[in-house]
Amino acid sequence: GENVEQHPSTLSVQEGDSAVIKCTYSDSASNYFPWYKQELGKRPQLIIDIRSNVGEKKDQRIAVTLNKTAKHFSLHITETQPEDSAVYFCAAPDDKIIFGKGTRLHILP
Amino acid sequence: DSGVTQTPKHLITATGQRVTLRCSPRSGDLSVYWYQQSLDQGLQFLIQYYNGEERAKGNILERFSAQQFPDLHSELNLSSLELGDSALYFCASSAPTGGEKLFFGSGTQLSVL
Repeated sequence: GENVEQHPSTLSVQEGDSAVIKCTYSDSASNYFPWYKQELGKRPQLIIDIRSNVGEKKDQRIAVTLNKTAKHFSLHITETQPEDSAVYFCAAPDDKIIFGKGTRLHILP
Repeated sequence: DSGVTQTPKHLITATGQRVTLRCSPRSGDLSVYWYQQSLDQGLQFLIQYYNGEERAKGNILERFSAQQFPDLHSELNLSSLELGDSALYFCASSAPTGGEKLFFGSGTQLSVL
């Protein structure tokens, strides 16, 4: 929606641990919630998305959870690996596709 | 490869100049979006077109303009360039149905000197 807040802005986790990134949105009309991953020097790519009629969606090591009442959704990455190091963006599209400011995830060896 | 083509990949120009960035969406996609990404910044929404018509507008400066042509390719025109316009400009397209999923091009890196 018009206002999407994403936290944290930077996150460092030990390889093998889990990472959680949270987004809060303001527009109640939003019903689609995607997460994009942007590796260094590359284009953003959709990694997972969820619609408002579902509370959770998983795809291997990544999952997204949605709390429509609280207007927030989160990206969960388990068993983190070096290739998970990237910037992650959320969005809560309505008439515009506005992205959160991004979270830079560092996976520490 | 997302199927979205952006040209040129790199552009170096001087302040006060005008440049045109070009985007060809994926085959069959009707929507084109433009985003600006400055160093260590997020994706700032500029403008969206759908089948030739402007659909939504973000914080696009008056010095910037865009259009989508009948063949669905789009151009972003940046004029009276300033140093602060230096950024990576992404174009994205989405499908006619279920169109919230964006496919990004590889971007045009603009450097204003």
